Amino acid sequence: ELKVEQNPLFLSMQEGKNYTIYCNYSTTSDRLYWYRQDPGKSLESLFVLLSNGAVKQEGRLMASLDTKARLSTLHITAAVHDLSATYFCAVDETGANNLFFGTGTRLTVIP
Amino acid sequence: DAGVTQSPTHLIKTRGQQVTLRCSPKSGHDTVSWYQQALGQGPQFIFQYYEEEERQRGNFPDRFSGHQFPNYSSELNVNALLLGDSALYLCASSLGLAGNNEQFFGPGTRLTVL
Repeated sequence: ELKVEQNPLFLSMQEGKNYTIYCNYSTTSDRLYWYRQDPGKSLESLFVLLSNGAVKQEGRLMASLDTKARLSTLHITAAVHDLSATYFCAVDETGANNLFFGTGTRLTVIP
Repeated sequence: DAGVTQSPTHLIKTRGQQVTLRCSPKSGHDTVSWYQQALGQGPQFIFQYYEEEERQRGNFPDRFSGHQFPNYSSELNVNALLLGDSALYLCASSLGLAGNNEQFFGPGTRLTVL
């Protein structure tokens, strides 16, 4: 059975600091997605990574994908309070948009 | 450009009842997927509809069924509701079945089963 594991599950960090969220998965998929979810809200797409070595950056967030290691990272640079949310990685195992989500990382940025 | 819409926003039912949730995909999209997100968990794939047929299904019992209409909108039906069906139900739309076509999620329907 496909497993998608994120760590840490909870992350509390100070504004201005850097940190990385890790997403390990157990399949050979080369399609990985990162989403943000605010409390009580839906999922907002952050990054779509479709090949080994893919790296994408948007503002203070940068995502990468290593399909050989079955690992994706979401790096946060100089965190600000507005980044507080839960972040999910999701793997498309079948290549047909059937997404398998990780457990999520709840990020709290402290002023 | 209208995004993915879902109705109703919130719903309260009792055990044993049946419920129907509705989803309209983003303009130009023809594929609809449904996910269940229990509190504190990541979303779980229920099933996917394309060309009015169920194309893929996750590990959910037959109590969960769906439909897609010619205008690409979709319904999720849950029969014989259990307490454990309480969750946020998310609809996502995309264009076609190819995995490199990004999915866009709707605001969700919060279902509470008492």
